[in-house]
Amino acid sequence: GQNIDQPTEMTATEGAIVQINCTYQTSGFNGLFWYQQHAGEAPTFLSYNVLDGLEEKGRFSSFLSRSKGYSYLLLKELQMKDSASYLCAVRGAAGNKLTFGGGTRVLVKP
Amino acid sequence: DVKVTQSSRYLVKRTGEKVFLECVQDMDHENMFWYRQDPGLGLRLIYFSYDVKMKEKGDIPEGYSVSREKKERFSLILESASTNQTSMYLCASTRQGYNGYTFGSGTRLTVV
Repeated sequence: GQNIDQPTEMTATEGAIVQINCTYQTSGFNGLFWYQQHAGEAPTFLSYNVLDGLEEKGRFSSFLSRSKGYSYLLLKELQMKDSASYLCAVRGAAGNKLTFGGGTRVLVKP
Repeated sequence: DVKVTQSSRYLVKRTGEKVFLECVQDMDHENMFWYRQDPGLGLRLIYFSYDVKMKEKGDIPEGYSVSREKKERFSLILESASTNQTSMYLCASTRQGYNGYTFGSGTRLTVV
């Protein structure tokens, strides 16, 4: 089976850094995804990791350690518009099916 | 840009009704998925399809069925709607071997 854990909620100040952790236990692994979802909207793709290490994309970075079953999403120079839910998802060994964690709601305060 | 279109943004249906949720994508994607999203539970996979007329059960298929008669269209059917099927339903698509899903805007279904 698949089990993906991430914190329910985090609060941070505008301009700061926030790190959202995701741990997973899955039968097979073929990549980890992060999505951003604003309230009432569809999730949008942020990042993809399949090999260990850090992937940087502007203010957002994502890290993966396959041996530890662990990933994090790092949001730097937080802006008010970053207030959203962040979804961690794992693709299993076969096919394109993704299993999602419960999502982390990030609230950015002025 | 890939577009995934869900026919209704909001729906209210009565218990026992047969409900059709439609999803259309315009980029010739092989793979299509139906998820439901509930607070605290995240996105849970209901059904998916890798090709026309092909369907596979996800993690929570009970009470649902699907239809994929054409490559661009994937329909989710609630045979007899129940109140515990009140949820946000999200359709997604991706082409074979591609990394990310593209999601539709979602259909918020309320069963009364």
